[in-house]
Amino acid sequence: ETGVTQTPRHLVMGMTNKKSLKCEQHLGHNAMYWYKQSAKKPLELMFVYSLEERVENNSVPSRFSPECPNSSHLFLHLHTLQPEDSALYLCASSQPWGAPSGANVLTFGAGSRLTVL
Amino acid sequence: AQSVTQLGSHVSVSEGALVLLRCNYSSSVPPYLFWYVQYPNQGLQLLLKYTSAATLVKGINGFEAEFKKSETSFHLTKPSAHMSDAAEYFCAVSVSGSARQLTFGSGTQLTVLP
Repeated sequence: ETGVTQTPRHLVMGMTNKKSLKCEQHLGHNAMYWYKQSAKKPLELMFVYSLEERVENNSVPSRFSPECPNSSHLFLHLHTLQPEDSALYLCASSQPWGAPSGANVLTFGAGSRLTVL
Repeated sequence: AQSVTQLGSHVSVSEGALVLLRCNYSSSVPPYLFWYVQYPNQGLQLLLKYTSAATLVKGINGFEAEFKKSETSFHLTKPSAHMSDAAEYFCAVSVSGSARQLTFGSGTQLTVLP
């Protein structure tokens, strides 16, 4: 399978549940990203990993916990979420920064639609 | 600092009509600019990118955008809209070219009327 694959596509969870979102890429990229997409708001960058090392954490609450075991897989562990965390969570990957093309292009997955009750 | 502003959160056009989606940027240095498209129930997909090689950039599906430094604009156009163009379109800017430092606009929802 090619591209960026996210599972599950839909998730409904209670505020006390623990769940995980999974992202997998087969593009040979070594940078991976989590974005949050809420209605009427710009995409929010949550986390960035490069070569399995977290290089960006944009003031995301600790109830979101990322994990990048290797350059092809990225997880977002969720626990004790709030209703305002309901959103579409998008995973993306890219080539290394400073690649010869001059500008990184993000390749996105289809997203995981999260509803917190 | 960098930012983008997309004018009009919703745009409606008739099938066959010109599509014009507006994007203005703010950047202290010459930026890299991008347009992404999001079809229903899908992630974002790159339409085109500006990397200073040419001011008129052609993308996929017949879309193009023109970089105008004097107007700080990067508007997206297509001569003739198709029903399949209905989607949300996002303008984005990065002063370094790095995806790690990409700032997205709020998006414009394009509706194509039969």
